Amino acid sequence: AQSVTQPDIHITVSEGASLELRCNYSYGATPYLFWYVQSPGQGLQLLLKYFSGDTLVQGIKGFEAEFKRSQSSFNLRKPSVHWSDAAEYFCAVTTAGGYQKVTFGIGTKLQVIP
Amino acid sequence: KAGVTQTPRYLIKTRGQQVTLSCSPISGHRSVSWYQQTPGQGLQFLFEYFSETQRNKGNFPGRFSGRQFSNSRSEMNVSTLELGDSALYLCASSRAGGNEEKLFFGSGTQLSVL
Repeated sequence: AQSVTQPDIHITVSEGASLELRCNYSYGATPYLFWYVQSPGQGLQLLLKYFSGDTLVQGIKGFEAEFKRSQSSFNLRKPSVHWSDAAEYFCAVTTAGGYQKVTFGIGTKLQVIP
Repeated sequence: KAGVTQTPRYLIKTRGQQVTLSCSPISGHRSVSWYQQTPGQGLQFLFEYFSETQRNKGNFPGRFSGRQFSNSRSEMNVSTLELGDSALYLCASSRAGGNEEKLFFGSGTQLSVL
């Protein structure tokens, strides 16, 4: 069965600092990988996704993620964090073909301090 | 274009009661999926509907059920509520429910079971 691990439940960074959120997945076939963000009281919004091709993908709000097959990782990065980035971030995986049955990680809550 | 609409926003019920939650997808979207979000478990997939048919189901007891109407609107029902059912229930829609598609989430229904 597919699974997603986000090892960091909470992360605190200073505004302007760089950010990396970790995500490891477990799946035998080629995965489809996503990062979603959830602001307080809101649903989730897609930041970026990876299916194939270039392993570095760009998303919205200045985020990027790198797929590393050898490490089964899909870490999310941002060079300079803004206070508005404080939210919860979810990594998700699903399979090629088939219909929506997405497996989400437990989430990483990001706190940004001035 | 209106987003995914979930009603009600908040619900308070007591153990043993039943509850019905509603989700209106984005116009033109025919796939609706439901997720349960709790602090300890993250997002857990409940089920997915397309053209009034359930195509995928997660590992939840039979007390959790759903349906989809011809206009793609969906409802989920939880019978004989338990304290552990307290959670944020999120609905997501996409055009056809393919795994490569972006999910559009509603803001959720916060259910509290007393």
